[in-house]
Amino acid sequence: NAGVTQTPKFQVLKTGQSMTLQCAQDMNHEYMSWYRQDPGMGLRLIHYSVGAGITDQGEVPNGYNVSRSTTEDFPLRLLSAAPSQTSVYFCASGFVGYGYTFGSGTRLTVV
Amino acid sequence: DQQVKQNSPSLSVQEGRISILNCDYTNSMFDYFLWYKKYPAEGPTFLISISSIKDKNEDGRFTVFLNKSAKHLSLHIVPSQPGDSAVYFCAASGNAGGTSYGKLTFGQGTILTVHP
Repeated sequence: NAGVTQTPKFQVLKTGQSMTLQCAQDMNHEYMSWYRQDPGMGLRLIHYSVGAGITDQGEVPNGYNVSRSTTEDFPLRLLSAAPSQTSVYFCASGFVGYGYTFGSGTRLTVV
Repeated sequence: DQQVKQNSPSLSVQEGRISILNCDYTNSMFDYFLWYKKYPAEGPTFLISISSIKDKNEDGRFTVFLNKSAKHLSLHIVPSQPGDSAVYFCAASGNAGGTSYGKLTFGQGTILTVHP
């Protein structure tokens, strides 16, 4: 039981490049989500999914895409990276109404 | 519009004493509240939660209090230990059928330092 696994742990991108942040969980959780953490702002919800094939936007969705083809995986795509997307990204999973389990994070720098 | 606020960026406490972390919210549709603890370079770890039908929930050294009329919750850690030094986030979500159901809204976090 690996919990929530995020890859990569660190990434540096140039402005305009695209990339995918991977998130996988092996706990059969229905709910998966992506957050970004910026200094002084806590964690903000980017996108979330309540099950395979179902996704929706959170508080800060612009510039990001998601899909959920399986229960286990919930990748986050940056379409055209911008310096404003420099942040630490966390994936979380769980059952709605209970505490969610977070991954260890991906630190992304866009130059 | 910050719907969940932690107005104290930091708190310093002596080992063995009580730590009290506070959190205020503005959205009356929130009905489930959580506290997370975060160490540097790690993801947040779930600590304790409380539903709006309760006003107190305990788990070992950790107790969460909810005052719905004041839209205020607090986390008490007794006794505080040096290993409790971390960033603490409160979070809230709404009830089933509401737009915030299942989605966590976080406060900005409070850095707790427990001195030996």
